[in-house]
Amino acid sequence: NAGVMQNPRHLVRRRGQEARLRCSPMKGHSHVYWYRQLPEEGLKFMVYLQKENIIDESGMPKERFSAEFPKEGPSILRIQQVVRGDSAAYFCASSAGGAGYTFGSGTRLTVV
Amino acid sequence: RKEVEQDPGPFNVPEGATVAFNCTYSNSASQSFFWYRQDCRKEPKLLMSVYSSGNEDGRFTAQLNRASQYISLLIRDSKLSDSATYLCVVISGSSNTGKLIFGQGTTLQVKP
Repeated sequence: NAGVMQNPRHLVRRRGQEARLRCSPMKGHSHVYWYRQLPEEGLKFMVYLQKENIIDESGMPKERFSAEFPKEGPSILRIQQVVRGDSAAYFCASSAGGAGYTFGSGTRLTVV
Repeated sequence: RKEVEQDPGPFNVPEGATVAFNCTYSNSASQSFFWYRQDCRKEPKLLMSVYSSGNEDGRFTAQLNRASQYISLLIRDSKLSDSATYLCVVISGSSNTGKLIFGQGTTLQVKP
């Protein structure tokens, strides 16, 4: 039973490009959470999704960031027109709805 | 004020030492509490849940004081392998989304 799969592990984008980060939850998990960890900081909640629904996006920046979790396929965190300040580690976690969370290995985004 | 606050450290201790980390949270309605461990900016991994009665797992003891909104982690007989960042985590009591709220982490370095 594979854990939470995130890809790519590392992503380099030039300023102004788009970044797409993917997260496949554990089998049987229908709840997905995205977190961002800036250098030298803790993890910050971004968005919580269930299949085809955004439940809580209170941590998402108002512009350029979007997330989806379609009926089929992985959850996608999309960052448009990336800037240097978007460079961070982005972690995805999944759960079956209780308090048991499993984190993926993260995607390290570097904006050059 | 941050919702979960920790002393970032670093705590530098010799092998065999006992070390204690503290954490405070601001939302009195918070219901669930955890300590996570993060190695070298990898994904956080659950170390232990924290219960009001206090709980122990081998060399690790966690305590919760709801009146003071204070959580602690005690590590006895420190090992080199305990070197990591320890994250105090709370499930926000103000929502039913189950999102994890992280402190900024406390760094522990265990020296030979």
